[in-house]
Amino acid sequence: EDQVTQSPEALRLQEGESSSLNCSYTVSGLRGLFWYRQDPGKGPEFLFTLYSAGEEKEKERLKATLTKKESFLHITAPKPEDSATYLCAVQALQGTASKLTFGTGTRLQVTL
Amino acid sequence: DGGITQSPKYLFRKEGQNVTLSCEQNLNHDAMYWYRQDPGQGLRLIYYSQIVNDFQKGDIAEGYSVSREKKESFPLTVTSAQKNPTAFYLCASSGYTSGANVLTFGAGSRLTVL
Repeated sequence: EDQVTQSPEALRLQEGESSSLNCSYTVSGLRGLFWYRQDPGKGPEFLFTLYSAGEEKEKERLKATLTKKESFLHITAPKPEDSATYLCAVQALQGTASKLTFGTGTRLQVTL
Repeated sequence: DGGITQSPKYLFRKEGQNVTLSCEQNLNHDAMYWYRQDPGQGLRLIYYSQIVNDFQKGDIAEGYSVSREKKESFPLTVTSAQKNPTAFYLCASSGYTSGANVLTFGAGSRLTVL
């Protein structure tokens, strides 16, 4: 059974204080690992897809990396507008290509 | 702009009533999905459809029903058989991006059972 564990559950940072969110996963062959951002009361917004170990992707203050067992979302010099819940999900090679397994998310709060 | 429209945003239901949540997309995506989100839990898949007139059960399909008569529409009915229907419901659609399904989500519908 595919599993995704995200840590920490919640993270509070001061503006400019860089940190990383972790996504550990177990999957029978990885088709893709996804990062989404979700604001309160809204649907998740796509950030990145990673496909193989060693891959990295960046978008503004966010950088996602992937190993064979986990992914990190690095946040450099965060701003209050980066406050949100960040979701990680995996898609397996086997079985139905449409199915994603989601983690429970990391709730990030960035204060002034 | 292309996207997914869910309605209503908020819905209140009495016990024993069926309710239908609407989901419409104009992204020309073949696949559509319904997820349920509860506090402290990851998104859980209710139903998905990869083509018109075909759909499959997800991990928590009991007490729910769907239809896919048009490519653009994938309504979800929460029946009275669903024992704990209060939740945030998310509709999504997907198109292929370099070999993996990137899901685009709607804004969600929050259902509360009174």
